Amino acid sequence: KAGVTQTPRYLIKTRGQQVTLSCSPISGHRSVSWYQQTPGQGLQFLFEYFSETQRNKGNFPGRFSGRQFSNSRSEMNVSTLELGDSALYLCASTLRTSAQETQYFGPGTRLLVL
Amino acid sequence: GESVGLHLPTLSVQEGDNSIINCAYSNSASDYFIWYKQESGKGPQFIIDIRSNMDKRQGQRVTVLLNKTVKHLSLQIAATQPGDSAVYFCAGANAGNNRKLIWGLGTSLAVNP
Repeated sequence: KAGVTQTPRYLIKTRGQQVTLSCSPISGHRSVSWYQQTPGQGLQFLFEYFSETQRNKGNFPGRFSGRQFSNSRSEMNVSTLELGDSALYLCASTLRTSAQETQYFGPGTRLLVL
Repeated sequence: GESVGLHLPTLSVQEGDNSIINCAYSNSASDYFIWYKQESGKGPQFIIDIRSNMDKRQGQRVTVLLNKTVKHLSLQIAATQPGDSAVYFCAGANAGNNRKLIWGLGTSLAVNP
């Protein structure tokens, strides 16, 4: 099976702009989670979507939003970008059964805000 | 709040030695733990997981030990190789937080030839 894919891989934006990142999970996986990774903070959970519904949410401001489509693909959006939003944004997909909850990560989108 | 943490931010070992990376968690209700390896420029890669009804689980060259009494888990890598150099993360989940993974900050493992 193909792994988790994320697009774009790299992105440069300026403060105040907005950005949309895309994630395609592993075929058959219905859960998609998003994380922000910075050197000092490790992986910070943004949100999780399952069957097009937000299942979990982290402690990020409302500028960070996401959605999931019927084919399980997910997008996250960050509006009014700030310098501190520069990070690696990771997407992970999970099969989500009673026996399976391992998250499989994509390569990430590296966002630089100038 | 709930936390998962690694004891050491960096670990340096000689090639061929065994490595032990430790992790502590705060929530006694955590029932699922997982270790990831992240190489430079890549997303985290699943290594091994363990449920709270087990004390030990072995994979290929890796063993995870879980001590629920002291809320501690460890990842042991046998015969460490240069390719094992990476940042290692532990994470835990429980039904109480809707199975959201709580992540540690990571331990950077350096393997010296």
